[in-house]
Amino acid sequence: DTAVSQTPKYLVTQMGNDKSIKCEQNLGHDTMYWYKQDSKKFLKIMFSYNNKELIINETVPNRFSPKSPDKAHLNLHINSLELGDSAVYFCASSQTTTGYNEQFFGPGTRLTVL
Amino acid sequence: RKEVEQDPGPFNVPEGATVAFNCTYSNSASQSFFWYRQDCRKEPKLLMSVYSSGNEDGRFTAQLNRASQYISLLIRDSKLSDSATYLCVVNRNEKLTFGTGTRLTIIP
Repeated sequence: DTAVSQTPKYLVTQMGNDKSIKCEQNLGHDTMYWYKQDSKKFLKIMFSYNNKELIINETVPNRFSPKSPDKAHLNLHINSLELGDSAVYFCASSQTTTGYNEQFFGPGTRLTVL
Repeated sequence: RKEVEQDPGPFNVPEGATVAFNCTYSNSASQSFFWYRQDCRKEPKLLMSVYSSGNEDGRFTAQLNRASQYISLLIRDSKLSDSATYLCVVNRNEKLTFGTGTRLTIIP
C-alpha cells in the first residue's frame, strides 16, 4: 500500500545513455513533482504536473523530459546522460486544492552516471 | 540571499535535552510552511505544518512569525530516534522551496 512509488531504486549507467524513471501515486492527488537532490543534499524542484498539465518547469536542461500519462503517474526521461546528472531523484505528490501543498515523497532513485 | 535559510549544524545534543532550530525565509508572499525530516539515504517526510498560532505535536512545537519571516522548531526530551536532518520548507504558488537542512545527532 505504498503511497508514492518509484522505479528503479538504483540506476547505474554510462555517460551518453538515455534512461527513464517511473513514478506512481495511489493517494488520489492532483499534482506530482520531480525533485533533484545533489551531493550536497540540496533538494530542488525540477517539474510539477497538475492533472497531466505542466505547471512548474524550473531551469532544467532540455535533456530532461517529464511525461504524465495520467494524474497518478509522472515519468522522467533523461537523454544523453552527463556526469553531473548523478544525484537522487525524488518524485512527490500533493493535493493542491487544500491550499497547504503538503507533499508526500517517493523513496528516491539514486542515479549514478559513469 | 537564499529563499530559505537554515543553520546547517551539525547539532550534537545529549538524549533528553531540548533543541531548537530556526529558519528564515525571504519572500513575504509565502503561503504555507512546513518542517520535513529526512533520515540518511531516505526520502523527506512531513514532520508537521507550521501555523501562525503555533502548533504542537507531542514533543515537537513549531512557531511561525510572519512579520519577522521566521520559523522555528522545538524538540523536547530528545530521543535517539530524533537523529535526522530537519528541513525548513516554504510554499508559494504550489511550489515548495527547501532549506538546506539542519543535521541533528542525539548522543546517548
